[in-house]
Amino acid sequence: DIVMTQSPDSLAVSLGERATINCRSSQSLLYSANNKNYLAWYQQKPGQPPKLLIYWASTRESGVPDRFSGSGSGTDFTLTISSLQAEDVAIYYCQQYYTSVRTFGQGTKVEIK
Amino acid sequence: QVQLVESGGGVVQPGGSLRLSCAASGFTFSNYGMHWVRQAPGKGLEWVTFIRSDGYNKYADSVKGRFTISRDNSKNTLYLQMNSLRPEDTAVYYCAKDCGLAGMRDYWGQGTLVTVSS
Repeated sequence: DIVMTQSPDSLAVSLGERATINCRSSQSLLYSANNKNYLAWYQQKPGQPPKLLIYWASTRESGVPDRFSGSGSGTDFTLTISSLQAEDVAIYYCQQYYTSVRTFGQGTKVEIK
Repeated sequence: QVQLVESGGGVVQPGGSLRLSCAASGFTFSNYGMHWVRQAPGKGLEWVTFIRSDGYNKYADSVKGRFTISRDNSKNTLYLQMNSLRPEDTAVYYCAKDCGLAGMRDYWGQGTLVTVSS
């Protein structure tokens, strides 16, 4: 199975500052047939199901604010929140959907400093 | 639009059984693989099982031999039969539509809570 490793486990960022979360996979998530990376980012707030933010590593889901962006290819990926807002306090997960055995990072808790 | 609605959760004693259902709409159910993913209280997300459109399936080691995934394409419904339940199976269970070959993304339901406790 593909192992997904996120860093850091938690981070505290001041309002309006940048937050960066990293995700590494144990094998490439790049599908050669369409040159897409099968990596998604989810946001989860307490008591709610995970909400899709980014798919194909860098495509923002409809309705997601443009302060959220995804980058990376192959095995190394990054989620960036360009200007942290109070409503962004949550746990963020990366997920690979390259294989039928879906795997997730352990999650990164984002808080306000 | 894709809709997935889970049901069947509840409280069950250790060693007991429960069957979850996931009603699907907004897409051609028979053409897509489906997953179950769970999240224990205060924990991360754990993939549980997958069934392909032709019935081929896979399981996480933690549930192999106890859980069975199935689908009824005539009813657009996915199932998860859970036997020999343990306290560590306590979680919110989500069904998810596979992205498909070269597809964009998975779709998830809202989840149903299973509590295994005496």
